Parts: sequence; structure tokens; C-alpha cells
Amino acid sequence: GENVEQHPSTLSVQEGDSAVIKCTYSDSASNYFPWYKQELGKRPQLIIDIRSNVGEKKDQRIAVTLNKTAKHFSLHITETQPEDSAVYFCAASWGSYIPTFGRGTSLIVHP
Amino acid sequence: ETGVTQTPRHLVMGMTNKKSLKCEQHLGHNAMYWYKQSAKKPLELMFVYSLEERVENNSVPSRFSPECPNSSHLFLHLHTLQPEDSALYLCASSQGSGSDTQYFGPGTRLTVL
Repeated sequence: GENVEQHPSTLSVQEGDSAVIKCTYSDSASNYFPWYKQELGKRPQLIIDIRSNVGEKKDQRIAVTLNKTAKHFSLHITETQPEDSAVYFCAASWGSYIPTFGRGTSLIVHP
Repeated sequence: ETGVTQTPRHLVMGMTNKKSLKCEQHLGHNAMYWYKQSAKKPLELMFVYSLEERVENNSVPSRFSPECPNSSHLFLHLHTLQPEDSALYLCASSQGSGSDTQYFGPGTRLTVL
């Protein structure tokens, strides 16, 4: 089955800095890679996703890049703000198979 | 948000109690999921239902029993739980399964005494 590794487990940055979270996956058939954000005490919510027919996708301050050859994808947050502080989860799946989630990254943005 | 709702939001129960968690989705989705989220652990998939049929059960102990009476409702029946079952139980739904966005409910914070 699919195995998703996510790093780092904790990331601490100063407000205004950039943050990068990286995930690797094992199943080369995976073609859907979402990122979820879970604020303290709240539900996980999708913030951005990418499918294997593109290499990069941007939405304002967040972007996701995908390298299918190396089987890794990354979340990039620029100009971080305190409200970006949360746990971020990556996931990988294909077809009708259930997505496999990474262990999560706790991002702390210091004002 | 009212897309996926869960009740109760908090539950404290003894090891000999029987209780049920309820999930309802108002999004017209065909797949529903139960996840367990413990501190310092990844999301653990417990059960998946697609079109009201169970499609995956990740070796969850029999003290957890799911029920999906229709595509909008999902229950998790609990009996004789252990303290290590204390966690946040999240329900989610998606249009299909796999390569579709999952929409999560707010979760039920369960404490087993």
C-alpha cells in the first residue's frame, strides 16, 4: 500500500518568513495530492491540492509543487502570518483508493 | 459551517458504557469516513463507506461498530471502550472516494474513564 512521509514534524518561523513542508510517497500510481490545514481545536480543511498532470499550483501565498519522478511534493507558504499557525497534513491517493495521510507538521509563526 | 456535522461534540464515558457518535453530511456526497486522531499521531482511518457499503476496515477493534443507514448519515457505536480509545473522532465525506477532496466534521472529543 501507499506510504506517505512528511517532514518536518515541527516548523517554527518568524512572521514574514517562508515555510516549506515536504512529503514523499511510495506508490508511483498516486495522482492526487491534497494539503489540509487544521487549526487548534478545529477540523482539517483543504487548502490546496494538485494532480499529477501539473507540476505546480499557486493560490495567493500558498503553492504546491510536485515532482513525480522523485515522488515528492511540497507545500510553500510565503510571507507567513500568525494565523498560518496550524497543523498541516499532506495526503496521496489514486483512483478510488482511500488517501493516505502524512503524520502532520505543526507550523508555528512567531509575531 | 454546516456541510458535515457531528454530535455530540464532547463525550465522557466509562468503560462499561454504550454510546453512539453521529455524523451527517449535507453535501450530497457518496462516501463517508471515520478517523481517529490522537495526540502526536497521524490521522488513523477506521472505516469507509461508499454508497452505504463498507469498503474498508483497517483492523479496528470490534468494540467500535459502524453503521451507515443512508448516504447522508454515519454512526459509530461504542461499547466497552478502553482509556486508550480517548481521542478526537472525525467524520468526513467526499463525492466519491480516493481522489476527491474530503470534507471533515468538527469531531467528537471522546474521553474514556
